Amino acid sequence: ELKVEQNPLFLSMQEGKNYTIYCNYSTTSDRLYWYRQDPGKSLESLFVLLSNGAVKQEGRLMASLDTKARLSTLHITAAVHDLSATYFCAVDRSSGTYKYIFGTGTRLKVLA
Amino acid sequence: EPEVTQTPSHQVTQMGQEVILRCVPISNHLYFYWYRQILGQKVEFLVSFYNNEISEKSEIFDDQFSVERPDGSNFTLKIRSTKLEDSAMYFCASMGGTAYTDTQYFGPGTRLTVL
Repeated sequence: ELKVEQNPLFLSMQEGKNYTIYCNYSTTSDRLYWYRQDPGKSLESLFVLLSNGAVKQEGRLMASLDTKARLSTLHITAAVHDLSATYFCAVDRSSGTYKYIFGTGTRLKVLA
Repeated sequence: EPEVTQTPSHQVTQMGQEVILRCVPISNHLYFYWYRQILGQKVEFLVSFYNNEISEKSEIFDDQFSVERPDGSNFTLKIRSTKLEDSAMYFCASMGGTAYTDTQYFGPGTRLTVL
């Protein structure tokens, strides 16, 4: 059974600081997705990583995928308050139905 | 920009009652999903739907659950006899035909409260 774990679960950081969120998964998959969720809201797609070594950047966020290590990272550069949200990674189980198995989520709070 | 829509945004029901949650996926999408999220927890897969039939379902999706695509636009999730533990946010998602390179787009969710 595919398991997806994120760490940390909670992250409180000062504005201007850098930090990395980690997403580990237990079985082979070539596709990984990052979503952002604001409280009480839906899931907003941030990044789609489709191959080993894929790196995507948008603003202060950069995501990467290492399929051999079964690890994805979401790096935050010079955090700002607007980045406060919960971040989920999701792995496509490559079963043909393209269902996503979500990680536990990382609740990020950026302090002014 | 096309988006997935869901109605209602909030549904309150009594235990044992039937509820139908409605979704309108993005119009040219071919893959449809329901997920749920219990408050403060992670998002869990319920069911996937493709080519007018269920392609996969989770253990959560028992006989009390059903899905339909009654016409070319709506995608519904029915819970026949709700339980307290069905209280959660239910998200509909859809994905285009180039599934290998696309991502799932999520609707705003329906918050279901079972009393």
